[in-house]
Amino acid sequence: SAVISQKPSRDICQRGTSLTIQCQVDSQVTMMFWYRQQPGQSLTLIATANQGSEATYESGFVIDKFPISRPNLTFSTLTVSNMSPEDSSIYLCSVEVGGGETQYFGPGTRLLVL
Amino acid sequence: AQSVSQHNHHVILSEAASLELGCNYSYGGTVNLFWYVQYPGQHLQLLLKYFSGDPLVKGIKGFEAEFIKSKFSFNLRKPSVQWSDTAEYFCAANTGRRALTFGSGTRLQVQP
Repeated sequence: SAVISQKPSRDICQRGTSLTIQCQVDSQVTMMFWYRQQPGQSLTLIATANQGSEATYESGFVIDKFPISRPNLTFSTLTVSNMSPEDSSIYLCSVEVGGGETQYFGPGTRLLVL
Repeated sequence: AQSVSQHNHHVILSEAASLELGCNYSYGGTVNLFWYVQYPGQHLQLLLKYFSGDPLVKGIKGFEAEFIKSKFSFNLRKPSVQWSDTAEYFCAANTGRRALTFGSGTRLQVQP
């Protein structure tokens, strides 16, 4: 498994501002993923972030809105840009560990946009 | 398109009752299947996983799941639930080293 931390754990933001969420892993991992969990709903993949390459975004998510950085094998950031109340969600990062297909999740960042 | 379906959205049980949560998937080719649990106020935790081999897999906290290929199902079971099992349960799937597709989740409420 892996120990994954996220910062901030929660935030309240104003419409039109941006928030950068950090994800730190205690071991080197190749594949990292960012998910969104809207209130009362399941998890939806935003993008896949591999070190050394551009993030791959899922349908409905664009780089201008959710820019992602992956500077090394233990760290990634997701920025939620020009926020609106519809962006209020829990944002989670996950990593694939051990060369297999099992993913482990961070504690999430709970975002409320007013 | 790849998809995962959970038909039970909210389940209420009394302690010591048996549990079965349904999960069906729609995937082409080899699929990996997972059950995750999210306890109130906590983050997602892996309960169990199936990649290949014995279709009956055992996970943590007394949970098990059975992969039935002919039915495209991966149902989660527990013979006797406890109040501490109150949580949201998510079935998920992927193929190879790819991101997970999640079902809509089942909220389990266990009454003491």
